[in-house]
Amino acid sequence: GEDVEQSLFLSVREGDSSVINCTYTDSSSTYLYWYKQEPGAGLQLLTYIFSNMDMKQDQRLTVLLNKKDKHLSLRIADTQTGDSAIYFCAERTLNTGKLIFGQGTTLQVKP
Amino acid sequence: EAGVAQSPRYKIIEKRQSVAFWCNPISGHATLYWYQQILGQGPKLLIQFQNNGVVDDSQLPKDRFSAERLKGVDSTLKIQPAKLEDSAVYLCASSTPDRAHEETQYFGPGTRLLVL
Repeated sequence: GEDVEQSLFLSVREGDSSVINCTYTDSSSTYLYWYKQEPGAGLQLLTYIFSNMDMKQDQRLTVLLNKKDKHLSLRIADTQTGDSAIYFCAERTLNTGKLIFGQGTTLQVKP
Repeated sequence: EAGVAQSPRYKIIEKRQSVAFWCNPISGHATLYWYQQILGQGPKLLIQFQNNGVVDDSQLPKDRFSAERLKGVDSTLKIQPAKLEDSAVYLCASSTPDRAHEETQYFGPGTRLLVL
């Protein structure tokens, strides 16, 4: 079946790099996404990667995809206090086209 | 470009009461989604519309939940009667294919429902 797993919590110091990890099960996934959710807000799309890519960089964000291990990661360089939020990984499957979300990783950035 | 609009932002009701949520997608987006996000979990798809037709409602508890998108633009999601376990954030999202045929979903702020 379709399942996406994430670690629940990550704490870093301001200025450090953050790495949030995600694993998924559906090998037919076409696109994989990272969304950010701040308290009381909806989901904000950060970035996405097509399944035939290994890496995508967008300013402070780097996405790495290991398709063999079905592992996705999001690296945030020079993490700021404004990056504190919940980060959701999601896969879009070929079969259904719908998004399957992980349970979210809470990122805490300490000054 | 205006984002996805939802109302109300908050709603408190007692169990067995009815409640309705409204969503206005991004202009021109043919596909509209309703998700349920229970505290501490990721969003789960309830129903997906393509214009005014239902594409996927396999996860919608049809004994109490209903949704419509009559004119292919705005949508309403209704719960009747509500149960305690329906307490959650209800998120609406919309999408349209880009030149790469990717349909990125854009989310509204959500409606927070508390059932007492």
